[in-house]
Amino acid sequence: ETGVTQTPRHLVMGMTNKKSLKCEQHLGHNAMYWYKQSAKKPLELMFVYNFKEQTENNSVPSRFSPECPNSSHLFLHLHTLQPEDSALYLCASRQAGGPGETQYFGPGTRLLVL
Amino acid sequence: GQQLNQSPQSMFIQEGEDVSMNCTSSSIFNTWLWYKQDPGEGPVLLIALYKAGELTSNGRLTAQFGITRKDSFLNISASIPSDVGIYFCAGQSAGTASKLTFGTGTRLQVTL
Repeated sequence: ETGVTQTPRHLVMGMTNKKSLKCEQHLGHNAMYWYKQSAKKPLELMFVYNFKEQTENNSVPSRFSPECPNSSHLFLHLHTLQPEDSALYLCASRQAGGPGETQYFGPGTRLLVL
Repeated sequence: GQQLNQSPQSMFIQEGEDVSMNCTSSSIFNTWLWYKQDPGEGPVLLIALYKAGELTSNGRLTAQFGITRKDSFLNISASIPSDVGIYFCAGQSAGTASKLTFGTGTRLQVTL
């Protein structure tokens, strides 16, 4: 595997379900991100992890719970979501301290909440 | 908060035509990035710009970091069908290490 991978690619869940999204980066980076992408809106930053420590929580509801066990893996745990949470969830990684702030994205998980 | 205005929102062009799109910011950026996103996929980095006035090419793509540091331009020459997609600009400003601000995207459609 190369780059940034995300699983599952598609997910349908009910409002009472609990599910987790997984992201893995194979680039040796030390910073990872979760974004939400809704139709006709700019990418919304949700969480940032630098060296496994959460450094940013962009006022995300507590029904989204991130976990970063190491620099290569990032999870987003989901519970009691709402239909308006349906979106494409993108993971990205970056080498902190590298040139500029170039982030590399995974393919995303398309989430539908019923 | 910071805002990035990206224009045009969408474009319909014929194969072989050149394309231009731009982003403007209400504040100064230190880095400008241009991404392309295909349907059902994540954004893919096309070009990164780190210095005001910088002009960088990647094949048929050319991007420039505006002198004022508040704007950036992306040009695509001789468009082909696989150029179809959504193009996003993103900027990073001083004091916001690790955070990017994204534009709303330009949807490009190419007709034969």
